[in-house]
Order: sequence, then structure tokens, then C-alpha cells
Amino acid sequence: NAGVTQTPKFRILKIGQSMTLQCAQDMNHNYMYWYRQDPGMGLKLIYYSVGAGITDKGEVPNGYNVSRSTTEDFPLRLELAAPSQTSVYFCASSLRQGFYNEQFFGPGTRLTVL
Amino acid sequence: GESVGLHLPTLSVQEGDNSIINCAYSNSASDYFIWYKQESGKGPQFIIDIRSNMDKRQGQRVTVLLNKTVKHLSLQIAATQPGDSAVYFCAEPSYGGSQGNLIFGKGTKLSVKP
Repeated sequence: NAGVTQTPKFRILKIGQSMTLQCAQDMNHNYMYWYRQDPGMGLKLIYYSVGAGITDKGEVPNGYNVSRSTTEDFPLRLELAAPSQTSVYFCASSLRQGFYNEQFFGPGTRLTVL
Repeated sequence: GESVGLHLPTLSVQEGDNSIINCAYSNSASDYFIWYKQESGKGPQFIIDIRSNMDKRQGQRVTVLLNKTVKHLSLQIAATQPGDSAVYFCAEPSYGGSQGNLIFGKGTKLSVKP
């Protein structure tokens, strides 16, 4: 199994541009998550999904959108990129939501908005 | 609301010594905690977890201690090795609307001196 994969690894955007961060998992996990990690900080939840067709906002959803058309894929869309969105983005998945679940993380996408 | 934070942002230890990384939490109802390790340029990786009905849990070279009286937990790494150099996060599930999603602390950077 490849686990959780993310593309691209790095990206530089200009203010106002848009892009999609790709995330895929091959563990047949129902639950998937997007986090952002600012320098020297912990991770903050942007959006999560409990299954295909179902998504919900996390702690910091403004400026982002997600979709979940399949169990495997959970892309994160940035519209009108802003410097405040410069961060490292991590996708994660878990077998179940709720307590006592282990989340598996992808390698991250480092995004810079100039 | 809940919060998870760490006492020290950095910790430097000699190879072979034991390491202790601390974490404080504020929600007395918190009943599950997880430690993650994040190596440079990678996503977080699950190390060990502990439930509130336990005071101690051991893994391979790692031990987590939970003191519910003072709302404090620690991660102890025995015989620290260069490969242990990473940022360590404690995390707990969100007890608010996004139940089961993780709240991360800021992290402690562990450096191992040869």
C-alpha cells in the first residue's frame, strides 16, 4: 500500500491564483482530513470528510473548498490565493472517526503565495 | 475549550540519554491523548496513545505517563537515538462539533547530539 499520497510536493502561487491540492489513499479509509501547519505551530483542521459525498468544515475552512466524489480521493481547492495561505498542507485518513482512531498522514504539500 | 500545549519548544539530549517531552491540557474531560512524531519534511506519524483510564502506557522504547490531577502528560523516550530527532506533538480529539478530529499542540523539537 502507498498509504496517503499528496501532490504536488511544492507550489508557488501568485496572489489571486487558484489551485487544487490532490490527496489519495489506498487503505479504504472512510474518513479523510485536511490540515494546515504554519511554521513552528501544530496542525489545524481545515475540512474533513466521513465518506464519499459528505464533507464538513474544520477549525479554519475560510478560503478553501473540498469535494469527496470517491472513497480514495479528497482534493482541497484554493480559490483566490492569499499570502495568509502560505503553509504546509497535510492530508490524513483514518479507518473511523471518533476516539481511539489513528490518523495516517501524507508527506505534505508546501505552498507559498507571493 | 480544549487546548493542548507543550512546556518547551526545543529539547536537546545526548545520544543514549533518556528524553522527556511534556504536554499540558486544559479540559478536565479529556479522555484520550495521542503522541505524534514528525520528521523534517514528512507528515506526522503515530507513536503511542493513552486513554484516561490509564496512568501509563509503554511501547517500544517509549512510555507515556498521564497525570489527570494536574492535567499533564509526558512522552519518555529511552536511550534516545539520532533517528529520534524530530518534532513531537501531543494531540487530543476535538470534543466540540468536529468530534473525533484531532487538536494538536505546537510541538517540541527534539535534537539528539552524537
